[in-house]
Amino acid sequence: EAEVAQSPRYKITEKSQAVAFWCDPISGHATLYWYRQILGQGPELLVQFQDESVVDDSQLPKDRFSAERLKGVDSTLKIQPAELGDSAMYLCASSLAEGSYNEQFFGPGTRLTVL
Amino acid sequence: AQSVSQHNHHVILSEAASLELGCNYSYGGTVNLFWYVQYPGQHLQLLLKYFSGDPLVKGIKGFEAEFIKSKFSFNLRKPSVQWSDTAEYFCAVTPSYGNKLVFGAGTILRVKS
Repeated sequence: EAEVAQSPRYKITEKSQAVAFWCDPISGHATLYWYRQILGQGPELLVQFQDESVVDDSQLPKDRFSAERLKGVDSTLKIQPAELGDSAMYLCASSLAEGSYNEQFFGPGTRLTVL
Repeated sequence: AQSVSQHNHHVILSEAASLELGCNYSYGGTVNLFWYVQYPGQHLQLLLKYFSGDPLVKGIKGFEAEFIKSKFSFNLRKPSVQWSDTAEYFCAVTPSYGNKLVFGAGTILRVKS
């Protein structure tokens, strides 16, 4: 069964360092999402791509976070510099197309700890 | 802005007990509703969804949910839980013609064998 792949699974970094997370969606899925899940809360959408274009990045802290999906396939989320409050699980999801009628499939996540 | 409220953060039940997890949302328009589950060590997966039609929807593993529009609620139920139902359950909502899933804070269910 096809799955969303993410790496690394765990990342420990010191504040002010740069970190990057990678996501490979299910083959053929045009829509890709990055979520942040803080402990004790539900996932919150950071950015949504349709192919290589950003559809929604309204919740992305653009002063330190960036995301790209250059060829419309895999995607990278970067944080520079990392802050203590960035400690969270970062989830990637993909769906066949835009719209809530298309099921989102989630990857295993990257757990980030900022010291 | 939409929001989702899940009533209980932790629930502990014995096997064979009945389960009901509450979910209320705030949004004035037509919505699509979802329950996701995350088993220990696994990724989030869709349990069931409601788009339209019969307000009682059935999902995998014997779960069902009822949409009550007048109460803005979408409660999850299971008549008899098993130890393997131990997981975290998330309710989520989006406008029917929107993209953005808004999740509740989750309910951690522990089933004692």
